[in-house]
Amino acid sequence: KAGVTQTPRYLIKTRGQQVTLSCSPISGHRSVSWYQQTPGQGLQFLFEYFSETQRNKGNFPGRFSGRQFSNSRSEMNVSTLELGDSALYLCASSPRLDYEQYFGPGTRLTVT
Amino acid sequence: AQKITQTQPGMFVQEKEAVTLDCTYDTSDQSYGLFWYKQPSSGEMIFLIYQGSYDEQNATEGRYSLNFQKARKSANLVISASQLGDSAMYFCAMRGAIQGAQKLVFGQGTRLTINP
Repeated sequence: KAGVTQTPRYLIKTRGQQVTLSCSPISGHRSVSWYQQTPGQGLQFLFEYFSETQRNKGNFPGRFSGRQFSNSRSEMNVSTLELGDSALYLCASSPRLDYEQYFGPGTRLTVT
Repeated sequence: AQKITQTQPGMFVQEKEAVTLDCTYDTSDQSYGLFWYKQPSSGEMIFLIYQGSYDEQNATEGRYSLNFQKARKSANLVISASQLGDSAMYFCAMRGAIQGAQKLVFGQGTRLTINP
């Protein structure tokens, strides 16, 4: 069974631009979560989705948004990029709630 | 609020030795889950082991075991017979009691280096 896939793997953007990252969960998984990883702040929870509904949101500004489609694929969007948004963005999927999460390889975003 | 503390920023171990990575947690929840993940330089987080707060036995998965001491709020990862491929960052994480919530709170990680 294929693992969690994230596209693109690497991205370079300029301050003020917006970006959309994509995550395809493991087949049959309906829960998708997003995390941001930076050297300074470590791993921080962004949001989680289950059956197209956002169930929980981390402490991030409104510039960070996401959604989940009926096929469980998820996207996250960051508008008006700032230098501090440079990070590894990790997506994780799970077959059901209260179960372990399986992570994708991440998207490394660099904002210049 | 939940918090995970990993006090070892880095560890160096000889190949084939056992290694213990420390993790302490803080939560007021009665029900919670504890996880360990491995992150190689490629960036992907690899799930290693899970321990539920009500599990009476310590979790084991192959060479990985979790030394769960509830009263001390510790959940140390033990890797037996370490291998060169074990060199990576290791993260301890917790999931709280909110039913159905997937949110994980991570520690700062420990960088493990296995020397030949």
